[in-house]
Amino acid sequence: GQQVMQIPQYQHVQEGEDFTTYCNSSTTLSNIQWYKQRPGGHPVFLIQLVKSGEVKKQKRLTFQFGEAKKNSSLHITATQTTDVGTYFCAGPRGGADGLTFGKGTHLIIQP
Amino acid sequence: NAGVTQTPKFQVLKTGQSMTLQCAQDMNHEYMSWYRQDPGMGLRLIHYSVGAGITDQGEVPNGYNVSRSTTEDFPLRLLSAAPSQTSVYFCASSRADSGANVLTFGAGSRLTVL
Repeated sequence: GQQVMQIPQYQHVQEGEDFTTYCNSSTTLSNIQWYKQRPGGHPVFLIQLVKSGEVKKQKRLTFQFGEAKKNSSLHITATQTTDVGTYFCAGPRGGADGLTFGKGTHLIIQP
Repeated sequence: NAGVTQTPKFQVLKTGQSMTLQCAQDMNHEYMSWYRQDPGMGLRLIHYSVGAGITDQGEVPNGYNVSRSTTEDFPLRLLSAAPSQTSVYFCASSRADSGANVLTFGAGSRLTVL
């Protein structure tokens, strides 16, 4: 079945440093979503990417969808303590409704 | 709008007991789903529904039942709880025209099975 893999599993950064998480799918995706989950909270939708090579920005966050639509990345510039949490990518399940989530990247920020 | 409301927030069960996790949404979303989250495993889809009267299995459906009698409600039933079902359960909903991809999650229900 379809697999969505994320790396790294954990990332420790000093406040102010940049952060990137990568997502790779075993199959071509029609679209990809990114979600953020704060510690003890629930996942919150961040963005959806649909087009090959698409790049979208939300303030300090930059999202990219690969040309082959099999990979994606999330880059945070100059991390802040409010960025702490787990970032998940998710893609449509092949041949069925619903999303397949990656295992997430835990972002830990040291002040 | 309350969004997606889950009850209870916490529950402790003994092996073999049954229970129902409640989920309600007030956004008139057609699509509803249940995920479980376990450490290091991400979110895994249990069951989903694309509309009232229609349900289907996700990746990990065994041991769980669902029904969708109304657009608003999508309860998840554990028939005979097992320790392997200890997890955090999230209900999520979406508009059908988003491709069921833009999910709004509830706050979660933490279940412990002893």
